[in-house]
Amino acid sequence: DTGVSQDPRHKITKRGQNVTFRCDPISEHNRLYWYRQTLGQGPEFLTYFQNEAQLEKSRLLSDRFSAERPKGSFSTLEIQRTEQGDSAMYLCASSPEGIGYTFGSGTRLTVV
Amino acid sequence: AQSVTQLDSHVSVSEGTPVLLRCNYSSSYSPSLFWYVQHPNKGLQLLLKYTSAATLVKGINGFEAEFKKSETSFHLTKPSAHMSDAAEYFCVVSSSGGNTGKLIFGQGTTLQVKP
Repeated sequence: DTGVSQDPRHKITKRGQNVTFRCDPISEHNRLYWYRQTLGQGPEFLTYFQNEAQLEKSRLLSDRFSAERPKGSFSTLEIQRTEQGDSAMYLCASSPEGIGYTFGSGTRLTVV
Repeated sequence: AQSVTQLDSHVSVSEGTPVLLRCNYSSSYSPSLFWYVQHPNKGLQLLLKYTSAATLVKGINGFEAEFKKSETSFHLTKPSAHMSDAAEYFCVVSSSGGNTGKLIFGQGTTLQVKP
């Protein structure tokens, strides 16, 4: 296992389109987190899963955002009807018990 | 609620001189604190973490940080800067409420190392 993988690395989309990102965590990690990082800012928490259960969502996660982790392994983050304000780096991290994160390299989204 | 404040948005040092990146925290509980580094176009890398053991924490690449409860600080230091240390540094506190383990990041400090 080589760490947390995120796909794609970069995504350019037109405003109004839907996009989906994938995160493959470290296999033995039961916790999975999504963060968003805008330019010049620190990452902000979006949501997290313990196994397949989504246990917390930030108020940043509007109704256009949905995340799943159907089998407790990989996770997807979908953004519907993208807006220019959604342009950011989307980071995934996994952890065995909530301490000791491993971050992926992120998916950079640009909405034009 | 937990929060961190990084007191400098940008720090510039000469190669071979000491580095000091300042961080103050606010927490209702005994906090877990971290420093992460982010090089351009790279993922976040953990430098060190404090989890209520020794107050002086040693990390990778010669970095260390001291937890001072009386000052609510967790400053990051390194005795001698290398060019490769130029990056964005984040002070982070873990939210203990509800045992989510979610991380709360500071705004970041850009470290510039001049030759």
